[in-house]
Amino acid sequence: QSALTQPRSVSGSPGQSVTISCTGTSSDVGGYNYVSWYQQHPGKAPKLMIYDVSKRPSGVPDRFSGSKSGNTASLTISGLQAEDEADYYCCSYAGSYTLEVFGGGTKLTVL
Amino acid sequence: QVQLQESGPGLVKPSQTLSLTCTVSGGSISSGGYYWSWIRQHPGKGLEWIGYIYYSGSTYYNPSLKSRVTISVDTSKNQFSLKLSSVTAADTAVYYCARESYGLYYFDYWGQGTLVTVSS
Repeated sequence: QSALTQPRSVSGSPGQSVTISCTGTSSDVGGYNYVSWYQQHPGKAPKLMIYDVSKRPSGVPDRFSGSKSGNTASLTISGLQAEDEADYYCCSYAGSYTLEVFGGGTKLTVL
Repeated sequence: QVQLQESGPGLVKPSQTLSLTCTVSGGSISSGGYYWSWIRQHPGKGLEWIGYIYYSGSTYYNPSLKSRVTISVDTSKNQFSLKLSSVTAADTAVYYCARESYGLYYFDYWGQGTLVTVSS
């Protein structure tokens, strides 16, 4: 069982928007602004998409955005494209003992 | 452009020690500023942070694996390594090495991953 809870799957049609949630506790997601999101295509390594809740690394399209409210972080992908179909994982800093915790992952299907 | 590459045996027998090495190119581990990490992914499952090391040798481990994990660094070879002892089938996974900036808590560069199967 992963420390952070994500929906197993979400789907959307091209051009639509989808939001993936990541629920933790006040000891991780709610306690720090250190939530990151990773995209993973089959057989590939994860790729950083969002860090510090809402910041985008260079090269990541602005269709990807992140936010947080309380103990739940969210990744929103607008203007869905076929290449966005992948697994998405959230990760949060969880304090000086546990340090890093991941979510169980969400499979995004572009219909 | 920083690149990371995992290497090591793809098959380990139960009760033995899993050993992997990550070779870093395009940047020097000894320059500091980064944590060098190990992360694993069980087949068809999510990601699990194993631990990381700073160039100085300071280590930080996932509490659930701490008793079995050792991460070390060899700055002369620009490599860091993972040892996981007393492995069982539950340790079968793809193992990734990754870089995390000091104090920033996200993994910006990843290796391609290597599958390690625990089986007799």
